[in-house]
Amino acid sequence: EAGVVQSPRYKIIEKKQPVAFWCNPISGHNTLYWYLQNLGQGPELLIRYENEEAVDDSQLPKDRFSAERLKGVDSTLKIQPAELGDSAVYLCASSYSPGTEQFFGPGTRLTVL
Amino acid sequence: ELKVEQNPLFLSMQEGKNYTIYCNYSTTSDRLYWYRQDPGKSLESLFVLLSNGAVKQEGRLMASLDTKARLSTLHITAAVHDLSATYFCAVDENSGYALNFGKGTSLLVTP
Repeated sequence: EAGVVQSPRYKIIEKKQPVAFWCNPISGHNTLYWYLQNLGQGPELLIRYENEEAVDDSQLPKDRFSAERLKGVDSTLKIQPAELGDSAVYLCASSYSPGTEQFFGPGTRLTVL
Repeated sequence: ELKVEQNPLFLSMQEGKNYTIYCNYSTTSDRLYWYRQDPGKSLESLFVLLSNGAVKQEGRLMASLDTKARLSTLHITAAVHDLSATYFCAVDENSGYALNFGKGTSLLVTP
């Protein structure tokens, strides 16, 4: 069974540029999460989707971050414009339903110069 | 706000030795997860603990959960170099379904 797929794996951009990350969850997993992991820290939740609905986006900086999950499968996380402090690893995870085990993708390592 | 504290944050141990990593959390929860992360890699699920008194073992690692004490332990038996990695505990706050992670324990096993 394929795991959570993310792309790109690495991205280097200059500040003020836009950037987008893509995630394909495990087939049949209705719940999708985006986490942010800073160096030396544990992941922190940005947004959680139940099917196509964002049910917890309280930690998403909405002035520059946006996300969507069209058709309740793939998801895209966007940053516009990027700031130096956005350099981090962006992890996507999925689970069959809320409260069940979460499986993580390989992450996208973003470097903002 | 749920707080998850791990200790130690850094651990250097010799091969063949035993050690325990502790994970304390601040609010009621009966779902706790342990993950392993190798440098530059994503998180690999190790254990899922879903009830008070749960104990799970895989190879040289054993995890337990005491929900009354709000404490989970990850015990390492006869460490080997391949266990070198960062270990995270994560607590599922009942009302939120999101995982709250500790800062991780960076483990280095030396000959």
